[in-house]
Amino acid sequence: EVQLVESGGGLVQPGGSLRLSCAASGFTFSNYEMNWVRQAPGKGLEWVSYISSSGSTIYYVDSVKGRFTISRDNAKNSLYLQMNSLRAEDSAVYYCASTTRMDVWGQGTTVTVSS
Amino acid sequence: DIQMTQSPSSLSASVGDRVTITCRASQSISSYLNWYQQKPGKAPKLLIYAASSLQSGVPSRFSGSRSGTDFTLTISSLQPEDFATYYCQQSSSTPYTFGQGTKLEIK
Repeated sequence: EVQLVESGGGLVQPGGSLRLSCAASGFTFSNYEMNWVRQAPGKGLEWVSYISSSGSTIYYVDSVKGRFTISRDNAKNSLYLQMNSLRAEDSAVYYCASTTRMDVWGQGTTVTVSS
Repeated sequence: DIQMTQSPSSLSASVGDRVTITCRASQSISSYLNWYQQKPGKAPKLLIYAASSLQSGVPSRFSGSRSGTDFTLTISSLQPEDFATYYCQQSSSTPYTFGQGTKLEIK
């Protein structure tokens, strides 16, 4: 079964850091580009970041540039999002999703930035 | 950035109705347009990719079309499980922007 499972969310103070992980199974992870997408409470979907299958090409939405870092470990079938200098407006459910047409999604992990 | 304008923002309909949701891109995106369905507390689910290709396992009552920069998602005969929020998304260029969503409710 093709599956993505996120972890690493939690409550963090403004200015703090978190590292999200996304574990892939049931498909050849190293062949596929990946994305992070977030959804603030009661709001719509927002694409956050993209990484190519090899990791050589990376993009971010402007609001997270310089604060978030996407990476992957194809040997471990894992995707990561390092989030630094967190702000209240980063509070959201964070999803990993495969390919640019986002055909497989994880269940999401919740990040809450609050003092 | 490419803006995706989705309409309507909400819609009330009955089981068996034919429903259309539209999405307009602020510039050409060719056919790089995807449609997703999201139910409360769940991850989005891909319905349509490349404007009109039905994702595997999605019922054939869902269809997509394109006319220039205007895109349409049609549900031919609403079923009870179709009441959800629908999003369009362009995958032509980053940032991969989403429409604001259409909440489809039971009349």
